[in-house]
Amino acid sequence: EIVLTQSPGTLSLSPGERATLSCRASQSVSSSYLAWYQQKPGQAPRLLIYGASSRATGIPDRFSGSGSGTDFTLTISRLEPEDFAVYYCQQYGSSPFGGGTKVEIK
Amino acid sequence: QVQLVQSGAEVKKPGASVKVSCKASGYTFTSYYMHWVRQAPGQGLEWMGIINPSGGSTSYAQKFQGRVTMTRDTSTSTVYMELSSLRSEDTAVYYCARYGPSLNAFDIWGQGTMVTVSS
Repeated sequence: EIVLTQSPGTLSLSPGERATLSCRASQSVSSSYLAWYQQKPGQAPRLLIYGASSRATGIPDRFSGSGSGTDFTLTISRLEPEDFAVYYCQQYGSSPFGGGTKVEIK
Repeated sequence: QVQLVQSGAEVKKPGASVKVSCKASGYTFTSYYMHWVRQAPGQGLEWMGIINPSGGSTSYAQKFQGRVTMTRDTSTSTVYMELSSLRSEDTAVYYCARYGPSLNAFDIWGQGTMVTVSS
């Protein structure tokens, strides 16, 4: 079973700053099966990135994904107020989700 | 538009069962697998299982084997998730999520159903 570990657990940043979120897999993951989601309080998760680097429909270009093998990254180039949320990475398997990274306002 | 609409909040006693529905619209129901994911208060996302709406085949997370049953009704484009022998640790928001095969990701989510287990 592949386990995804996200770091850091919490990221404290100010609007306009760059956010870099990490997702590390216990075994190699096909890039085709690595996705990122954003979740705001009281809402369902929303797909941001699929295939490790492709933005989902309607996702602003300040969000980008990269990586391969066991190390993947979600980057938010300049944080907007609406970007403060929890972010999850996901791979296709029986334990698909990482533990999440909370991006909070500093 | 493509959407998944779930049934309303439930309050159950320990030992009881709950059945949550998820009605799909705006796309061909039998063309996309559906997953169930839950989220305990303040916690992360936990995968529960998958159902193929076309043939009805299912696969469940080991943790829920023997307690969860996923079914579908193609006449109403609805999938169901029933969880039995409820305990307080099952208090969570339960989501259905469509798996988009071309994206290899959960592209559409239901709004969530809060299930509270309390005596």
